[in-house]
Amino acid sequence: AQSVAQPEDQVNVAEGNPLTVKCTYSVSGNPYLFWYVQYPNRGLQFLLKYITGDNLVKGSYGFEAEFNKSQTSFHLKKPSALVSDSALYFCAVTNQAGTALIFGKGTTLSVSS
Amino acid sequence: DVKVTQSSRYLVKRTGEKVFLECVQDMDHENMFWYRQDPGLGLRLIYFSYDVKMKEKGDIPEGYSVSREKKERFSLILESASTNQTSMYLCASSSGLAGISQETQYFGPGTRLLVL
Repeated sequence: AQSVAQPEDQVNVAEGNPLTVKCTYSVSGNPYLFWYVQYPNRGLQFLLKYITGDNLVKGSYGFEAEFNKSQTSFHLKKPSALVSDSALYFCAVTNQAGTALIFGKGTTLSVSS
Repeated sequence: DVKVTQSSRYLVKRTGEKVFLECVQDMDHENMFWYRQDPGLGLRLIYFSYDVKMKEKGDIPEGYSVSREKKERFSLILESASTNQTSMYLCASSSGLAGISQETQYFGPGTRLLVL
């Protein structure tokens, strides 16, 4: 079955420290990969995506993600966390048919000052 | 900037009522989507549309229908609302230039529906 796993419900980091939000997927072929962020009572905002090419993708607000095909992972990273980064983060992967996105369950990032 | 708007931020309906959720996008996007978001379950696709008057079932279409009479508008209809349809409903749109799979989806602010 096709699926996306975000193994951590919550990630806690101190402001200024690096952060990682993990994502692994199980989809055949060469799927496209996305990260979205959701602030309280808001819709989802696009952060970045991997389509092809360089495995390190840079996105909005200083975030980046590394695609690892052998480990089927697409972890979100940021070198120095801000309190304003606190939000709910979703990883998404295109399904095998290329017709829709499969979303993970989300990871709440909490950055303390 | 892409703007996706949803007709209501909050709705309270009674069991058995017919409910309409409206979504409008202003970027001339071909693709539009309806998701529901529930804690611990992430987003699940209800229906999507890749063209006017076209629709495709997503993962959880039961109890829902959709309408797309104009390119910019995609409506989600709950024919007879039930309490298990209490949820956050998110609409999204994307360009059709590179196919559904590659294009970024842009989301509306969501409608929080409570069915009593």
